[in-house]
Amino acid sequence: EVHLVESGGVVVQPGGSLRLSCAASGFIFDDFPMHWVRQAPGKGLEWVSLINYNGDDSYYADSVKGRFSISRDNSKNSLFLQMNSLRPEDTAFYYCAKGEVPAAMQAPLDHWGQGTLVTVSS
Amino acid sequence: EIVMTQSPATLSVSPGERATLSCRASQSVSSNLAWYQQKPGQAPRLLIYGASTRATGVPARFSGSGSGTEFTLTISSLQSEDFAMYYCQQYNNWPPWTFGQGTKVEIK
Repeated sequence: EVHLVESGGVVVQPGGSLRLSCAASGFIFDDFPMHWVRQAPGKGLEWVSLINYNGDDSYYADSVKGRFSISRDNSKNSLFLQMNSLRPEDTAFYYCAKGEVPAAMQAPLDHWGQGTLVTVSS
Repeated sequence: EIVMTQSPATLSVSPGERATLSCRASQSVSSNLAWYQQKPGQAPRLLIYGASTRATGVPARFSGSGSGTEFTLTISSLQSEDFAMYYCQQYNNWPPWTFGQGTKVEIK
């Protein structure tokens, strides 16, 4: 069974930094692209970032480009999101999600973690 | 960037009735369209991909149709557990992988 468990969400001041982690199990982690998707409280889903299966290609939403960095450690079945220069509008639940097709970007997100809450406030 | 627009924002339906949700893309996404269900306090769950293929374990009362720019999610006979938010998402032209703003299906 696929399991994705996010961690690292805390309250942080504007301008601060944070690193989120996602521990994966139940599938061959290094075969699949992985996403981060966020959801502000009471709002809709916003795609944040994707990293390909081997970590040598990544993409970002314009709203986080230049501030966030996605990475993965396939030896530890782990996904990360380094978040710098945080803003109040970054406050959200952050979900990691698995791409449905091995090595393919053009695919839906078939498994999601339960999310971790990041609050940016002074 | 492809913009996904869902309608209506809220759909009030009685249990046992049929629900029809719409999703429109600002340009063609072929059949690279997914639907997700999200209940309060839970993560989204993949329901439909490829516009019309049910994900593993999804009941047959859920069906998807459409291609290009117009898509529909139909729930043939609403059960109590189906009252939730539903989001469409395109994965044809990326980045970004864009979501619609959601449709809330509530009890009438």
